Amino acid sequence: GAVVSQHPSWVICKSGTSVKIECRSLDFQATTMFWYRQFPKQSLMLMATSNEGSKATYEQGVEKDKFLINHASLTLSTLTVTSAHPEDSSFYICSASANGYTFGSGTRLTVV
Amino acid sequence: QKEVEQNSGPLSVPEGAIASLNCTYSDRGSQSFFWYRQYSGKSPELIMFIYSNGDKEDGRFTAQLNKASQYVSLLIRDSQPSDSATYLCAVKVTDKLIFGTGTRLQVFP
Repeated sequence: GAVVSQHPSWVICKSGTSVKIECRSLDFQATTMFWYRQFPKQSLMLMATSNEGSKATYEQGVEKDKFLINHASLTLSTLTVTSAHPEDSSFYICSASANGYTFGSGTRLTVV
Repeated sequence: QKEVEQNSGPLSVPEGAIASLNCTYSDRGSQSFFWYRQYSGKSPELIMFIYSNGDKEDGRFTAQLNKASQYVSLLIRDSQPSDSATYLCAVKVTDKLIFGTGTRLQVFP
């Protein structure tokens, strides 16, 4: 149980375009999901907490207008990277809480 | 001071040995502690979590908490080459997890 599905697993996009990443809880309802970013050889940095039916809570230093989070249902949260730039290239991972925190498989974003 | 600190390693141990990984945390009020394993290019996998009321053993893994010194340890018995990975310690702060930088473990045959 407690499976979190994340899609896509990797994406390459052109600078200036937007990319949407989906995170789904498959066998449980997640009122709260978390979005992390991980740069090479670094740890996971929490970007924001996504709450179903309300606005996301962003960590200090994370631009809420650039990283749009929508949590419209109890099983789906989306992260949209708007006007992506090469410095946004990273590994994005979502997580949800169910008997421990379970992570999605991650999305490797490359902006060219 | 960072909230969660780990030695980046690498920690090298021979196959069959005990690997000991440590993590210190700054919030004395922390109640829940998590250990994850992360292979290169993959997302973290939960190994185990413990609460402030005691240690926990699961197969070859044992998590121990020292509240007085504010550190958490993970012991891996009978280490295998397949255990070679980065081990992330995380502490629950309100409802979110704060991660350490991870310790890279290398188990050599």
